Amino acid sequence: DTAVSQTPKYLVTQMGNDKSIKCEQNLGHDTMYWYKQDSKKFLKIMFSYNNKELIINETVPNRFSPKSPDKAHLNLHINSLELGDSAVYFCASRFDGGVYNEQFFGPGTRLTVL
Amino acid sequence: AQSVTQLGSHVSVSEGALVLLRCNYSSSVPPYLFWYVQYPNQGLQLLLKYTSAATLVKGINGFEAEFKKSETSFHLTKPSAHMSDAAEYFCAVSGYGANNLFFGTGTRLTVIP
Repeated sequence: DTAVSQTPKYLVTQMGNDKSIKCEQNLGHDTMYWYKQDSKKFLKIMFSYNNKELIINETVPNRFSPKSPDKAHLNLHINSLELGDSAVYFCASRFDGGVYNEQFFGPGTRLTVL
Repeated sequence: AQSVTQLGSHVSVSEGALVLLRCNYSSSVPPYLFWYVQYPNQGLQLLLKYTSAATLVKGINGFEAEFKKSETSFHLTKPSAHMSDAAEYFCAVSGYGANNLFFGTGTRLTVIP
């Protein structure tokens, strides 16, 4: 069973389009995250949700909008895609009762904007 | 504030040689430290974590790391490199109860046959 899953795995689209990436975790975790990994492998946190509430919102263009319909899902919607949005996007989750803050990562979604 | 610095963006070792990947941290609170591995085209997988129970931490695939407070370091080692260890390795730091992980810039390990 996949603990943290993302769909799609690959996404190729044109500039200006709107796209969504979905994330689901079956670990019963309370907190979920979106990270962006650029071409140099640098990982940057974008958002964090706890029980459907936004708790971390880093400096990210407002074209990016996370949505959490329930605590097992955290989707990422991107409007008016730009070339610079090309990256790998990772979803992660964490159990709140674990003070060690270990995060479990999904397999990633490679977004290519043409 | 918390941060990690990984020295060496690219490390090459021969198969069977010692692997040493360096990580230094900065934290205003007692840190929790992690090493994650990312194999090509895959997500991040936890290798090991330091949670103040023991300074020498053993992880999966024969890796271990030692927490040295005096040196603010958490270097990752493996006695004998295997071809399958070729991957990107990330060090990360957090604090007690903190929601966020702060990642280093990663070190790409290449294993030469």
